[in-house]
Amino acid sequence: EPEVTQTPSHQVTQMGQEVILRCVPISNHLYFYWYRQILGQKVEFLVSFYNNEISEKSEIFDDQFSVERPDGSNFTLKIRSTKLEDSAMYFCASSADGSGYTFGSGTRLTVV
Amino acid sequence: AQSVTQPDIHITVSEGASLELRCNYSYGATPYLFWYVQSPGQGLQLLLKYFSGDTLVQGIKGFEAEFKRSQSSFNLRKPSVHWSDAAEYFCAVDNYGQNFVFGPGTRLSVLP
Repeated sequence: EPEVTQTPSHQVTQMGQEVILRCVPISNHLYFYWYRQILGQKVEFLVSFYNNEISEKSEIFDDQFSVERPDGSNFTLKIRSTKLEDSAMYFCASSADGSGYTFGSGTRLTVV
Repeated sequence: AQSVTQPDIHITVSEGASLELRCNYSYGATPYLFWYVQSPGQGLQLLLKYFSGDTLVQGIKGFEAEFKRSQSSFNLRKPSVHWSDAAEYFCAVDNYGQNFVFGPGTRLSVLP
């Protein structure tokens, strides 16, 4: 069964550093998403991406965040200057038609 | 704004017992509804989804859910719980095709 692949599975970074979280969506999918889950809390929407541009973003997705599809397969989330409160599990998801996602297994980001 | 509530933060059942996890939503149109399961440290796995048609939907691992428009509910059920079902369960609604709104989750513990 096709999978959404996320790397790394766990990343530790120092406060103020930039991090890039990587995702390989399912190959024929057109819609891409990032969600995050702070430990013990619910899953929150960050951003959706379609046709090489952001289609929707939440208030969480401020100027320190950016997304990119640098080639035909990868979808990245960059956090420019990490804060302690950015520590969370970040999930990438993709969808063929915008309904019903396949989620990746997540990247646990720890900011120290 | 769309919202999803899961009234039970934590439920404990004995192995072999039946299970019902509650989900209520607030949505302005016919909702697309989903249940996801998350094992500790893992990603989100889709259990089942409702788009239209038969209000009782079958999913993987023996789960089913019933959509009740009059009650704005989409409760998840399983007739006989297995120890491996211990996990966090999230109900979600598709937010007009823009993103998903997740409920806060219900943690299921299974007693031997």
